[in-house]
Amino acid sequence: QQQVKQSPQSLIVQKGGIPIINCAYENTAFDYFPWYQQFPGKGPALLIAIRPDVSEKKEGRFTISFNKSAKQFSLHIMDSQPGDSATYFCAVSREKLTFGTGTRLTIIP
Amino acid sequence: NAGVTQTPKFQVLKTGQSMTLQCAQDMNHEYMSWYRQDPGMGLRLIHYSVGAGITDQGEVPNGYNVSRSTTEDFPLRLLSAAPSQTSVYFCASSLGTGGGEAFFGQGTRLTVV
Repeated sequence: QQQVKQSPQSLIVQKGGIPIINCAYENTAFDYFPWYQQFPGKGPALLIAIRPDVSEKKEGRFTISFNKSAKQFSLHIMDSQPGDSATYFCAVSREKLTFGTGTRLTIIP
Repeated sequence: NAGVTQTPKFQVLKTGQSMTLQCAQDMNHEYMSWYRQDPGMGLRLIHYSVGAGITDQGEVPNGYNVSRSTTEDFPLRLLSAAPSQTSVYFCASSLGTGGGEAFFGQGTRLTVV
């Protein structure tokens, strides 16, 4: 039973565009919602995270939007660059970190 | 400043063989975990540990054993390798349980033939 559903599976965006990746969860007990970025051949690395007491968090070009009532959260990348091409994972956590299935993002020049 | 170190980076096993994937962290983190990554399935939790001497099962524990005798080390043992265990394995550590940044190793790519 998948605890977090992530979409889309893959995404191609032109440089400067704003890719949006979405995640939905079921369990209202989750209290930490991170996004991880993974480059080929590397382990995932924390990109940005949010707690359920806020609706939005920005760090540089990356923004998490959080909708507690809808049990959804999303990642927006402003002014996307080819260097942002990677696989992105959302995750949910209470005591254990559970990941979505990932989104392969490609930014074309 | 090593962080989380996994060895080996690559391994080929024959069906039925056993092996241990090593994981060590130098950040004095209490929480450590093992994930496997398969195409289209994200990262799935195999086993985790909240401290030395304490381990618990994750989402996909069958065929794997773990132990945690020290804070630094968290080895993953494959008892009798099967082709279904062909995957990329990641070890991670974090300061607390779940709600904080997890640091991942570089991964071990395992092929079972």
